[in-house]
Amino acid sequence: AQTVTQSQPEMSVQEAETVTLSCTYDTSESDYYLFWYKQPPSRQMILVIRQEAYKQQNATENRFSVNFQKAAKSFSLKISDSQLGDAAMYFCAYRSALAGGGADGLTFGKGTHLIIQP
Amino acid sequence: DVKVTQSSRYLVKRTGEKVFLECVQDMDHENMFWYRQDPGLGLRLIYFSYDVKMKEKGDIPEGYSVSREKKERFSLILESASTNQTSMYLCASSFAGQGRLKEQYFGPGTRLTVT
Repeated sequence: AQTVTQSQPEMSVQEAETVTLSCTYDTSESDYYLFWYKQPPSRQMILVIRQEAYKQQNATENRFSVNFQKAAKSFSLKISDSQLGDAAMYFCAYRSALAGGGADGLTFGKGTHLIIQP
Repeated sequence: DVKVTQSSRYLVKRTGEKVFLECVQDMDHENMFWYRQDPGLGLRLIYFSYDVKMKEKGDIPEGYSVSREKKERFSLILESASTNQTSMYLCASSFAGQGRLKEQYFGPGTRLTVT
């Protein structure tokens, strides 16, 4: 079974600065997907960024980027120019690339609470 | 935009009651999921369904059952609610099939309190 570990229960950053959230995972599979989800205080979980394991290039979405280290099984999220609206719980998630059945469920880390200091 | 809706944002039930949580998605997704979210534990998969009337157990199915009679609707059932089922319940949906990224879209959640 796969596991996802987020070692930082809480992080705090000054507005406009850069912050990196850590995520490591354990799997015996070679093909999989990794995600970062954001859950603001309103509770709607939304996708921030995704990474396909077979792609070596790190994914980027505007101010959000990842550092994907497949050999180290590490998938960190970097938020540049932090904004007050970035304050939320951030979850790292893993999904197997196998089609159908149990492979479609996400395995989540326990989350990192990100605080933005004005 | 994909929309996943859940029947209630907040629900209070008594121990022993039968509880139904409803989820509806409007994107013709094959897969639907129920997760439970607890502080310090993240999200844990309860059940999922990959087709109408098809279901599979997730990581923590005990005390729960599900029903999927129509493609767009997935219900989570607590046969006899207990206080340890007090939690936030999140529904999600995604496409299935090889070659698709199958990103999951989440509903707003139902905070269930069992007293």
